[in-house]
Amino acid sequence: ILNVEQSPQSLHVQEGDSTNFTCSFPSSNFYALHWYRWETAKSPEALFVMTLNGDEKKKGRISATLNTKEGYSYLYIKGSQPEDSATYLCAFGDSNFGNEKLTFGTGTRLTIIP
Amino acid sequence: GEEVAQTPKHLVRGEGQKAKLYCAPIKGHSYVFWYQQVLKNEFKFLISFQNENVFDETGMPKERFSAKCLPNSPCSLEIQATKLEDSAVYFCASSPRPTGNNYNEQFFGPGTRLTVL
Repeated sequence: ILNVEQSPQSLHVQEGDSTNFTCSFPSSNFYALHWYRWETAKSPEALFVMTLNGDEKKKGRISATLNTKEGYSYLYIKGSQPEDSATYLCAFGDSNFGNEKLTFGTGTRLTIIP
Repeated sequence: GEEVAQTPKHLVRGEGQKAKLYCAPIKGHSYVFWYQQVLKNEFKFLISFQNENVFDETGMPKERFSAKCLPNSPCSLEIQATKLEDSAVYFCASSPRPTGNNYNEQFFGPGTRLTVL
């Protein structure tokens, strides 16, 4: 059974501050690490798919890094805005097929305080 | 369509009744995935399809759960004789055929909330 862990479980951040959170995953048989942004009752929105050790990806104020040797990824949000309030999920893909099933972490629930 | 569509949004069933959920993947996507979300945001993989063929069913409960993806029809997930523990949000996702070494995102629908009373 794969273990994908996210921390912290929840986080409150003042508007304008920057923040980051962690996803840890098995370092063996690594193929891909996905990040999703999810608001309850909506579709999870894909942010990044990362496959290479040392990968860094950026989308606006959100960026992510990947360390496959030690089995962790960080998600950073710069200058938090109220619309960043959501649950951020990471998911581990363990097959080289490219259309593998995903094993999800339990998410980090982010609340931005105006 | 450009989004994964799931119907219905909400479904309420008495214990022992049948439940059927539908998913229309994004047009042109070859892969369809079903995930079950019970508690604390944990999305649990159930089954995936490549076109109308089962691709990976390692997460499917052996009894009561079945799924299909038939040509020119929405994919479906059916639960016979529902139990209280089947209450969950069921998400469908679709993905295009992989090209080269590119890893594809899975595009998710908004989910169907099943409540078993």
